[in-house]
Amino acid sequence: EAGVAQSPRYKIIEKRQSVAFWCNPISGHATLYWYQQILGQGPKLLIQFQNNGVVDDSQLPKDRFSAERLKGVDSTLKIQPAKLEDSAVYLCASSLGGTDTQYFGPGTRLTVL
Amino acid sequence: GEDVEQSLFLSVREGDSSVINCTYTDSSSTYLYWYKQEPGAGLQLLTYIFSNMDMKQDQRLTVLLNKKDKHLSLRIADTQTGDSAIYFCAVTNDYKLSFGAGTTVTVRA
Repeated sequence: EAGVAQSPRYKIIEKRQSVAFWCNPISGHATLYWYQQILGQGPKLLIQFQNNGVVDDSQLPKDRFSAERLKGVDSTLKIQPAKLEDSAVYLCASSLGGTDTQYFGPGTRLTVL
Repeated sequence: GEDVEQSLFLSVREGDSSVINCTYTDSSSTYLYWYKQEPGAGLQLLTYIFSNMDMKQDQRLTVLLNKKDKHLSLRIADTQTGDSAIYFCAVTNDYKLSFGAGTTVTVRA
């Protein structure tokens, strides 16, 4: 069974630029999550989707971050404009349902200069 | 929100047992997880325990849960160099998963 796929694996941008990350969850998983992991910390949930609807985006900085999950499968997370403090690993995870075990992708490491 | 605390570092000799500890605040947590993160990689699910269990064993891994003290531990028997990684404790609160800051385990020869 293929795992959660993410791209790109690494991205370096300058502050005020925009960037987008892509995630393809495990086939059949209805729930998709985006996490931000700052160096030395545990992952922090940014947004959770159930199919193509948002369940929780309370921790998403909506002035600069946006995410969508069209057709309830793939998802993209966008940052516009990026700030230095956005440097982190962005992890995508998926699960069968909202209370099921979450499986993580390899992450995208973002460096903002 | 849920607070999850872990010690930051653990150094262990190859072949010895490792014990990683975690404490949490929300007594209603239903599932408690251990994830492993190797350098440059995502989080790999190691094992989990349901809140009505005290212990779960899976090959070299043993999870102990003390609900009264809100304490979770992961024991790795016969620790190998490949076990060097960051280990995250995570607990559920409704549908949310709250993570500790991770314990960096270093295995020395």
